[in-house]
Amino acid sequence: EPEVTQTPSHQVTQMGQEVILRCVPISNHLYFYWYRQILGQKVEFLVSFYNNEISEKSEIFDDQFSVERPDGSNFTLKIRSTKLEDSAMYFCASSVRGSGELFFGEGSRLTVL
Amino acid sequence: EDQVTQSPEALRLQEGESSSLNCSYTVSGLRGLFWYRQDPGKGPEFLFTLYSAGEEKEKERLKATLTKKESFLHITAPKPEDSATYLCAVHDPGSSNTGKLIFGQGTTLQVKP
Repeated sequence: EPEVTQTPSHQVTQMGQEVILRCVPISNHLYFYWYRQILGQKVEFLVSFYNNEISEKSEIFDDQFSVERPDGSNFTLKIRSTKLEDSAMYFCASSVRGSGELFFGEGSRLTVL
Repeated sequence: EDQVTQSPEALRLQEGESSSLNCSYTVSGLRGLFWYRQDPGKGPEFLFTLYSAGEEKEKERLKATLTKKESFLHITAPKPEDSATYLCAVHDPGSSNTGKLIFGQGTTLQVKP
């Protein structure tokens, strides 16, 4: 069964460092998303990406964040100058039609020290 | 403010003891309500989509129903493998992006053998 894969599964970084989280969405999906979940809190939307551009971003997704689809298969989330409050589980998701039926990856746990 | 509220926060059942989880929503102009299952340390897994009051969907021991103000996830004769956190989500009504979901905080279900 096709699945969304994410790497790394866990990354520890120092405050102020840059991190890149990688995702390979399901191959025939056209809509891509990043969500995050701070420990004990709700899953929250960060950004959506369609047709090689950001279609929407949340208030959380400020200039510190960027997304890219560099090669037609990977979908990356870059966080510049990480802060302690960026510590969370980051989920990549994709969908065929841009509906709420999202296929999530297993997540990348980011710990900022 | 648009909200999705789930109750109870946690539920412990004996194997075979049926129960229901509640999801109340206050969004205006519902364009879809979604149920997801999340296992510890994993990404959410899509279960159901409901669009209109009176609609029902079933999958194995799970049945989701929808009214104008809330949705229920009924679990019939649960088994230990049904233990997980069940998340409810709705389309963000302020967005034309139908992949942008607002999640509830989830109900953590534990089924004991």
